[in-house]
Amino acid sequence: TQLLEQSPQFLSIQEGENLTVYCNSSSVFSSLQWYRQEPGEGPVLLVTVVTGGEVKKLKRLTFQFGDARKDSSLHITAAQPGDTGLYLCADSFQGAQKLVFGQGTRLTINP
Amino acid sequence: NAGVMQNPRHLVRRRGQEARLRCSPMKGHSHVYWYRQLPEEGLKFMVYLQKENIIDESGMPKERFSAEFPKEGPSILRIQQVVRGDSAAYFCASSPLAGVGNEQFFGPGTRLTVL
Repeated sequence: TQLLEQSPQFLSIQEGENLTVYCNSSSVFSSLQWYRQEPGEGPVLLVTVVTGGEVKKLKRLTFQFGDARKDSSLHITAAQPGDTGLYLCADSFQGAQKLVFGQGTRLTINP
Repeated sequence: NAGVMQNPRHLVRRRGQEARLRCSPMKGHSHVYWYRQLPEEGLKFMVYLQKENIIDESGMPKERFSAEFPKEGPSILRIQQVVRGDSAAYFCASSPLAGVGNEQFFGPGTRLTVL
């Protein structure tokens, strides 16, 4: 069974600071997805990465996929209160249709 | 272009009653997935369906839970004789394609509370 570990579990920082959160897998990712979930809503897909070493940018968010495809990081530059939410990483387990999720990093950006 | 729709958004049931959760996938999507999220946890896969077929139900409890995706109409997740431990947020997702890297789009969820 694949396990995804996210760290830190909770992070609270001031507006304008930078931060990095991590996702590590017990096995090689098939295809890694990052989601953001706001309270009372469903997860919203941010990015999908498939190739080892891949880097993708989405405005102030930078997603990095490890060369060995077992880890990933999400870096946010100049965090804003609107970045507050639960950040989840997920994998298509062994190429199957179901997604396996980490437990998430709960991020709070204080004005 | 409507997203994935779920209803009801909130559902309160007493122990022993039935809960029926509905999901309408995005237009053009024929793959539907159900996930459950307990408080302060990530999402756990329950079942994957295509029209009129259950493809993978490995995450769904064998008893009391069932799912369907009929030829016409929404997908239904049904929980019979609910217990307090069934209280959770239930999310439906849909995708247009299968395969590695398939992107799933989630609905807003149904929050089930069992009294």
